[in-house]
Amino acid sequence: EAQVTQNPRYLITVTGKKLTVTCSQNMNHEYMSWYRQDPGLGLRQIYYSMNVEVTDKGDVPEGYKVSRKEKRNFPLILESPSPNQTSLYFCASKRGTGLPTDTQYFGPGTRLTVL
Amino acid sequence: AQSVTQLGSHVSVSEGALVLLRCNYSSSVPPYLFWYVQYPNQGLQLLLKYTSAATLVKGINGFEAEFKKSETSFHLTKPSAHMSDAAEYFCAVSTAKAAGNKLTFGGGTRVLVKP
Repeated sequence: EAQVTQNPRYLITVTGKKLTVTCSQNMNHEYMSWYRQDPGLGLRQIYYSMNVEVTDKGDVPEGYKVSRKEKRNFPLILESPSPNQTSLYFCASKRGTGLPTDTQYFGPGTRLTVL
Repeated sequence: AQSVTQLGSHVSVSEGALVLLRCNYSSSVPPYLFWYVQYPNQGLQLLLKYTSAATLVKGINGFEAEFKKSETSFHLTKPSAHMSDAAEYFCAVSTAKAAGNKLTFGGGTRVLVKP
């Protein structure tokens, strides 16, 4: 089954404790992206990747890091989480990188709470 | 720059009644427009998209949307609401010039369907 998977689905942590949220897709997609969803703000892009070893900042990259060492994986790293990073996080992928018309496929989300 | 405004953060409809969700966009270049649906505890799923072909776009689950350039709108409709339509709906815009194929989302509209 074609899908985007994220782990963990739920996470409660404390300020300053490094964490990683994993994202994996089995569709051989070139493009992957991370979003955060906050009430009333919709989804905002954190980082995106056009291919292996190619990543760039989205609209709200502060406090986050990413890496793309393999095509299928795109982990999101919070090196020193803070309470304002409490949010619902989504990973997404799509086939191509030429135009944004390809459908983006979203993972099930990771609900993060930073105390 | 691109932006999306969704009028109404919450909409309540009776089962069998028309569903109308409003979306207005702002873009300096021709837009690509999308509607996504998010069911509880799930990721986003594409309902339909406008990619500069037909202005009336039909999607899954009986939904459709019409691109109106003069009104900068892309409203989503469904003639007859079903209980299973209860979800949150997001309108999104992108363009060929958007860095990283970025999708810019509206704040979302949560739909409640009354029996």
